[in-house]
Amino acid sequence: DAGVIQSPRHEVTEMGQEVTLRCKPISGHDYLFWYRQTMMRGLELLIYFNNNVPIDDSGMPEDRFSAKMPNASFSTLKIQPSEPRDSAVYFCASSLARGKLFFGSGTQLSVL
Amino acid sequence: DAKTTQPTSMDCAEGRAANLPCNHSTISGNEYVYWYRQIHSQGPQYIIHGLKNNETNEMASLIITEDRKSSTLILPHATLRDTAVYYCIASYTGTASKLTFGTGTRLQVTL
Repeated sequence: DAGVIQSPRHEVTEMGQEVTLRCKPISGHDYLFWYRQTMMRGLELLIYFNNNVPIDDSGMPEDRFSAKMPNASFSTLKIQPSEPRDSAVYFCASSLARGKLFFGSGTQLSVL
Repeated sequence: DAKTTQPTSMDCAEGRAANLPCNHSTISGNEYVYWYRQIHSQGPQYIIHGLKNNETNEMASLIITEDRKSSTLILPHATLRDTAVYYCIASYTGTASKLTFGTGTRLQVTL
């Protein structure tokens, strides 16, 4: 298995633009997580899905952020409009077994 | 999730055992102890987890005290590639896997 695949690896955009981050979880995993990592706040859980259904989105910063999982093999995290403070590394992870998450390589987002 | 406390940083000589401590004095009976590590610019990587018994796998050993208030992750023969931030997490996951990462311990393995 190729592991969790995220795209793009790097994204540079201007303030106000829409940003879409993509994730393909490991086949067969029924949990999918979106985390954000910054120097100031560390790793933060934004939202997670179980069987494509959002379970807990309490970590989503504000209405500018939205996440979808239209099927078991694909998820998106969208930021609209983007702001400089959204600059961070965004990780997607998937899981089957209790507590054992597999993380992707992340998307480095820079909002200018 | 129970709060965990870890040293900010540690050094270890290559080839020696690295013993990374974690305090989780408020852990409840149904909370597991998980260890992850994050090598620079990569996503976190699962290492090991346990409930109350000691555990060992190909990467590391996990020693949990009898009262479960603390644990130690042991890398038996540290190499330069083990330089990373190590996270200890105490969490009840049930059938879910919601983990909250703290600041971790930055382990520097040196020649």
